[in-house]
Amino acid sequence: EAGVAQSPRYKIIEKRQSVAFWCNPISGHATLYWYQQILGQGPKLLIQFQNNGVVDDSQLPKDRFSAERLKGVDSTLKIQPAKLEDSAVYLCASSLGSGAGNTIYFGEGSWLTVV
Amino acid sequence: GIQVEQSPPDLILQEGANSTLRCNFSDSVNNLQWFHQNPWGQLINLFYIPSGTKQNGRLSATTVATERYSLLYISSSQTTDSGVYFCAVMAGGFKTIFGAGTRLFVKA
Repeated sequence: EAGVAQSPRYKIIEKRQSVAFWCNPISGHATLYWYQQILGQGPKLLIQFQNNGVVDDSQLPKDRFSAERLKGVDSTLKIQPAKLEDSAVYLCASSLGSGAGNTIYFGEGSWLTVV
Repeated sequence: GIQVEQSPPDLILQEGANSTLRCNFSDSVNNLQWFHQNPWGQLINLFYIPSGTKQNGRLSATTVATERYSLLYISSSQTTDSGVYFCAVMAGGFKTIFGAGTRLFVKA
């Protein structure tokens, strides 16, 4: 079974530029997550989708971050304009459902450096 | 919101030693998972354990939901066990919250 796929793996951009990350979840998984992990910290949930609807985006900085999940499968996370503090690993994850009892599977992450 | 605290923050072991990692949470949970993040950043699910005890090889986990803590046991540690161990909980709703992690280094 294929895992969660993410691209690009690494990206270096200048502040005020834009960047987009792509995620393809495990086939059949209805729930998709984007987490931000800053070096030395645990992952922080940015946005959670159930199919193509948003379940939670309370910690998404909506003035600069946006995410979509068209057709309930692939998802993209965009940052525009980027700030230095956005340097982090962006982790995409998926699970069969949203409720308790669902194991979360992570991709390898997209490493972003903003200079 | 719910608070998740992990201890110790850092741990250095000699290969072959045993260790216990702890996760405390501030409210009732309906889902608790332990993850291992390897040195390349990949997060791997170890256990789904909202209550009770589970074992998988040299690893085992126990969650005492009524007392709001979970323990991860690593026996006969190996260098490949190095990395960061995270506890993640879901309390009501659908949001999974991660602790800050325990950074483990196993020396050969």
